[in-house]
Amino acid sequence: GQQLNQSPQSMFIQEGEDVSMNCTSSSIFNTWLWYKQEPGEGPVLLIALYKAGELTSNGRLTAQFGITRKDSFLNISASIPSDVGIYFCAGSLGIYGGSQGNLIFGKGTKLSVKP
Amino acid sequence: GAVVSQHPSWVICKSGTSVKIECRSLDFQATTMFWYRQFPKQSLMLMATSNEGSKATYEQGVEKDKFLINHASLTLSTLTVTSAHPEDSSFYICSASPSGSGNNEQFFGPGTRLTVL
Repeated sequence: GQQLNQSPQSMFIQEGEDVSMNCTSSSIFNTWLWYKQEPGEGPVLLIALYKAGELTSNGRLTAQFGITRKDSFLNISASIPSDVGIYFCAGSLGIYGGSQGNLIFGKGTKLSVKP
Repeated sequence: GAVVSQHPSWVICKSGTSVKIECRSLDFQATTMFWYRQFPKQSLMLMATSNEGSKATYEQGVEKDKFLINHASLTLSTLTVTSAHPEDSSFYICSASPSGSGNNEQFFGPGTRLTVL
């Protein structure tokens, strides 16, 4: 089945720094989603992407749906301590306005921010 | 909007007992709900897709007789872990997609921590 490679596995950064993480796949997806999970909680949806090349922002977060439809990245600008958590990418074959599809998750990027 | 709740948030049970976990969409209807399992420091693994009014679709390797799913209404799905054993200890998370939304966004519950002694 399809698998997602998410990198890096973990990041240790200083408060104020920018962060970049990405996911790649061996095959295409029609939808990319980015989630953040904090310890003992369920994932929270950050950004949803539906079109190849789409660039979407949510506050200090920016994500892009790769042109090839096989990759996506998430950037966090000017990180703050509350950005700490595990960030997951998820891909789906489902099409916006059309068929639903299951989500396939990356293995996550653990972000640590030093004040 | 798009809030999903789970109950209980944690449960400890003896080996051999059955445990029921509820997943509710609080402010939207969901024809489809999903059940995931997450082991420590690992990603989410889809166990099954729960469809309102019909049988659940299980992923390969997930025993349907052990993990019973019932999706009796558009706002409630339940997962029952039957005859639980220590290896079933895990973090179980449900998600739901708003019916008719046309997108693939899934909103997750807060998870249920199951510990089987």
